[in-house]
Amino acid sequence: GENVEQHPSTLSVQEGDSAVIKCTYSDSASNYFPWYKQELGKGPQLIIDIRSNVGEKKDQRIAVTLNKTAKHFSLHITETQPEDSAVYFCAASRGWGKLQFGAGTQVVVTP
Amino acid sequence: DGGITQSPKYLFRKEGQNVTLSCEQNLNHDAMYWYRQDPGQGLRLIYYSQIVNDFQKGDIAEGYSVSREKKESFPLTVTSAQKNPTAFYLCASSISPLSGTSGGSTDTQYFGPGTRLTVL
Repeated sequence: GENVEQHPSTLSVQEGDSAVIKCTYSDSASNYFPWYKQELGKGPQLIIDIRSNVGEKKDQRIAVTLNKTAKHFSLHITETQPEDSAVYFCAASRGWGKLQFGAGTQVVVTP
Repeated sequence: DGGITQSPKYLFRKEGQNVTLSCEQNLNHDAMYWYRQDPGQGLRLIYYSQIVNDFQKGDIAEGYSVSREKKESFPLTVTSAQKNPTAFYLCASSISPLSGTSGGSTDTQYFGPGTRLTVL
């Protein structure tokens, strides 16, 4: 089955700097890659997603890149703010229903 | 206000007891899911349902049971057979390609606020 690895497990950045989280996946048939943000004690919220027919997608300060050949995808957050502090999860799926999640990255933005 | 609700937010159980977690959605989604989250780990799929009266085991179904009698509801029962039930439980829903619903992404899952279960 699919296996998703996520790095780093923790990431501390200064406010205003950029943060990058990387994920690799094992199943070459995976075609959907969402990113979720989870605040303490809450459910994950979808922040951005990308499909295998697209190499990059942006939404304001957030961008995701996908390298199908290398089977990895990354989340980029620019101009980080304290409210970006949370746990971020990547996931991969070959079709709807069975998302395989990475272990998560704790992002801490320090003023 | 559309969304997914889970209740209760916190649940305490004595060893040997079964307990049922509630998940309700008014997004008109046909597919619903249950995940378990342990500290420092990602989400693991327990059960999922593509349509009413049908459900499938996920990666860690042992010790759990579900039912799907209504489109809006997908309750999860944690049985006494689950050896380590203390965890954060998350319910999600999505459009199902089986439903014939047009528009939106069948991959995108939307999560509820979660239930934290503690076994005493």
